[in-house]
Amino acid sequence: LAKTTQPISMDSYEGQEVNITCSHNNIATNDYITWYQQFPSQGPRFIIQGYKTKVTNEVASLFIPADRKSSTLSLPRVSLSDTAVYYCLVGDSTGGYNKLIFGAGTRLAVHP
Amino acid sequence: NAGVMQNPRHLVRRRGQEARLRCSPMKGHSHVYWYRQLPEEGLKFMVYLQKENIIDESGMPKERFSAEFPKEGPSILRIQQVVRGDSAAYFCASSPLSSGGPDTQYFGPGTRLTVL
Repeated sequence: LAKTTQPISMDSYEGQEVNITCSHNNIATNDYITWYQQFPSQGPRFIIQGYKTKVTNEVASLFIPADRKSSTLSLPRVSLSDTAVYYCLVGDSTGGYNKLIFGAGTRLAVHP
Repeated sequence: NAGVMQNPRHLVRRRGQEARLRCSPMKGHSHVYWYRQLPEEGLKFMVYLQKENIIDESGMPKERFSAEFPKEGPSILRIQQVVRGDSAAYFCASSPLSSGGPDTQYFGPGTRLTVL
């Protein structure tokens, strides 16, 4: 499974847009990119998933360049409640299951 | 539509006792994963099960740990003769694993095991 690299921590303020970039230089052809959010004492929560170009849902956008060696999670107008750890994962499950490999994630702190 | 359920949410055991952690997947999901998370670390894969089958247990310690997902009832992660190093948060995830698409896993709230 491809290894991912993301910043250890980020700080932002309420109302700002936050972009968290993840590097996955060894991503394979069949790999999808998935982002999870985790609050203290809770399980990870699925945010968004994509393969290429741009994906948007009600929570976030995911930008994936053509070479797919990186991806950027974009959170529009963050609030205090977006303070959490964000995990970027890549993996292939189109032929079967996918044992997710979590790194340390990015700790986002949103300030008033 | 209830999410993944785990119980108990908190479990305290003394060294040498057994711990049994339960996971009920989301309705319609027949694939279950177990992960362990130590403080300030990411989740680590332990085992992947389908109904009545263990598919991949490559992340499970060779001794004292076992998992099952019976035809009826929740998935169980069992830890025998617990030691202090087993103290962690244990998360269960389920997925529908529809063919041809990516596997999206949905996590439960976790069981926090404390070994005294």
